Amino acid sequence: NAGVTQTPKFQVLKTGQSMTLQCAQDMNHEYMSWYRQDPGMGLRLIHYSVGAGITDQGEVPNGYNVSRSTTEDFPLRLLSAAPSQTSVYFCASSDENTIYFGEGSWLTVV
Amino acid sequence: GENVEQHPSTLSVQEGDSAVIKCTYSDSASNYFPWYKQELGKRPQLIIDIRSNVGEKKDQRIAVTLNKTAKHFSLHITETQPEDSAVYFCAASRHNNDMRFGAGTRLTVKP
Repeated sequence: NAGVTQTPKFQVLKTGQSMTLQCAQDMNHEYMSWYRQDPGMGLRLIHYSVGAGITDQGEVPNGYNVSRSTTEDFPLRLLSAAPSQTSVYFCASSDENTIYFGEGSWLTVV
Repeated sequence: GENVEQHPSTLSVQEGDSAVIKCTYSDSASNYFPWYKQELGKRPQLIIDIRSNVGEKKDQRIAVTLNKTAKHFSLHITETQPEDSAVYFCAASRHNNDMRFGAGTRLTVKP
């Protein structure tokens, strides 16, 4: 039982490039979400999903896309990276009681 | 949507003293209030949580209190130890997939 697995752990992008952060969970949770963490701003919700085929926007969705084709996977796509998207990204899945975070992905956009 | 405010942003205490971190929330329908501890370079880890039908919950040296009328909740750490040094986040939600976090409190416990 690996929990929530995120890849890559570190990534440097050039402005305008696109990339996908991968997230997978093996706990059969219906709920999955993506957060970004910036200094002094806590964790801000980007997108979330309540089950396969269903996604919705969080607090800061602009510049990001998600899809949920299976219960296990919830990838986050940056369409055209900008320096403002330099951040630490956490994927999470949750049951009725607890959120489980992945280890984080450190993304730098130059 | 829900808005969570957390104070103080930094807190320094002497080992053995108590630490208190306070949060307020805006959505009266929120019913779940977890607290997370995050060490440098690590993921947030749940340390304690409380639901809206309970006013207080304790787990060894940590406790959380909830005042639904005033829409605020607090984390209390007693007999602090150097290993308690970390960033602590409060959060509030109606359900786990739309959780909103406070900005965090950096706690430093001085030996």
